[in-house]
Amino acid sequence: AQSVSQHNHHVILSEAASLELGCNYSYGGTVNLFWYVQYPGQHLQLLLKYFSGDPLVKGIKGFEAEFIKSKFSFNLRKPSVQWSDTAEYFCAVKTNNQGGKLIFGQGTELSVKP
Amino acid sequence: EPEVTQTPSHQVTQMGQEVILRCVPISNHLYFYWYRQILGQKVEFLVSFYNNEISEKSEIFDDQFSVERPDGSNFTLKIRSTKLEDSAMYFCASSVTSGGTEAFFGQGTRLTVV
Repeated sequence: AQSVSQHNHHVILSEAASLELGCNYSYGGTVNLFWYVQYPGQHLQLLLKYFSGDPLVKGIKGFEAEFIKSKFSFNLRKPSVQWSDTAEYFCAVKTNNQGGKLIFGQGTELSVKP
Repeated sequence: EPEVTQTPSHQVTQMGQEVILRCVPISNHLYFYWYRQILGQKVEFLVSFYNNEISEKSEIFDDQFSVERPDGSNFTLKIRSTKLEDSAMYFCASSVTSGGTEAFFGQGTRLTVV
């Protein structure tokens, strides 16, 4: 069965530190890839997405992610985090044989210290 | 900006009672979904709905669950006889298509079964 794995459950950083959150998926076919963010008390919001084309995708708030097909990875990066980036981050995958269903990773809680 | 809305934000119910969680998807979207997140666990797919019928459901979505689009705007999830383990955050989502577009999520309904 398809699965998504996020390597870190909880990451603590100081402001201005660089961020990289790992995401790997298990599926050999075509995928759509997403990162969602959930700020405290709010709904899931899309940070960025990859459907096809340039494997380096840029999202909102300075986030970017790189799709490396050979590694089945879609890691999220930000060069310099802010206190306001404190949130939970979810990687999700949609495969081409599962309609619109998203398969989520377990989430990574990011805490940014001011 | 259009958004998915869910009501109520928090529902407390006694074990064995029926609950109905409500969602208003984005108006031009055709695909609708329910996901749930048990505290501390990953977001899990429950069901997808298109053209007034279920297009896919997970193993979690057993006979106790049902979905309906009663009036062309609302999309509901009914749990007939709630169990303690149904306590979770339930997210509704909608998308224009099943592939090639992202899903937009509501803010969630926290269901607590006591």
